[in-house]
Amino acid sequence: AQSVTQLGSHVSVSEGALVLLRCNYSSSVPPYLFWYVQYPNQGLQLLLKYTSAATLVKGINGFEAEFKKSETSFHLTKPSAHMSDAAEYFCAVSDGFQKLVFGTGTRLLVSP
Amino acid sequence: DADVTQTPRNRITKTGKRIMLECSQTKGHDRMYWYRQDPGLGLRLIYYSFDVKDINKGEISDGYSVSRQAQAKFSLSLESAIPNQTALYFCATSDPNSRGNTQYFGPGTRLTVL
Repeated sequence: AQSVTQLGSHVSVSEGALVLLRCNYSSSVPPYLFWYVQYPNQGLQLLLKYTSAATLVKGINGFEAEFKKSETSFHLTKPSAHMSDAAEYFCAVSDGFQKLVFGTGTRLLVSP
Repeated sequence: DADVTQTPRNRITKTGKRIMLECSQTKGHDRMYWYRQDPGLGLRLIYYSFDVKDINKGEISDGYSVSRQAQAKFSLSLESAIPNQTALYFCATSDPNSRGNTQYFGPGTRLTVL
């Protein structure tokens, strides 16, 4: 079975500050890992994915995530937050064949 | 034009009514999914289909049914809607040949059951 834990339902940062959204996973097989972003009143958009190639994955809008097998983590970071980054972020894990299992989401709030 | 479309985008209905939510895609993907999103619970899988003749239950299929009319169309029905089915519903597609079975989502349907 696979599962995802996102630490913190809400994260608040100031504009220009580092963004760090935490994701830990559990998987009995080598995982595929994803981060999706949901802007208000929109669907989920793929930010980035880990598919067993490079452990540091770069995505859209300046986000990146690092796969750490020893820590079973896939944390999402961005060096400098922008107001437009305010959204809900979902981490998800897959065995690569069938379903995605999502975390409960983290809402990022960015203040001026 | 959007690759994955959902209709309607918003729907308000009453308890006991039958409701159908529709999903269409132009991505040419064989696999399609229906999820519901509730605050604080993330997305949960209702049903999925790997091709036109393949339908599978997800983790929360009770009270729902689906129909895969064509490769590009996948509909979700609530036979007799109840208030706790009020949620945001998403359709998604994936290409099994992509690494990781990456899924692509529609814009969602907000359903309110009174």
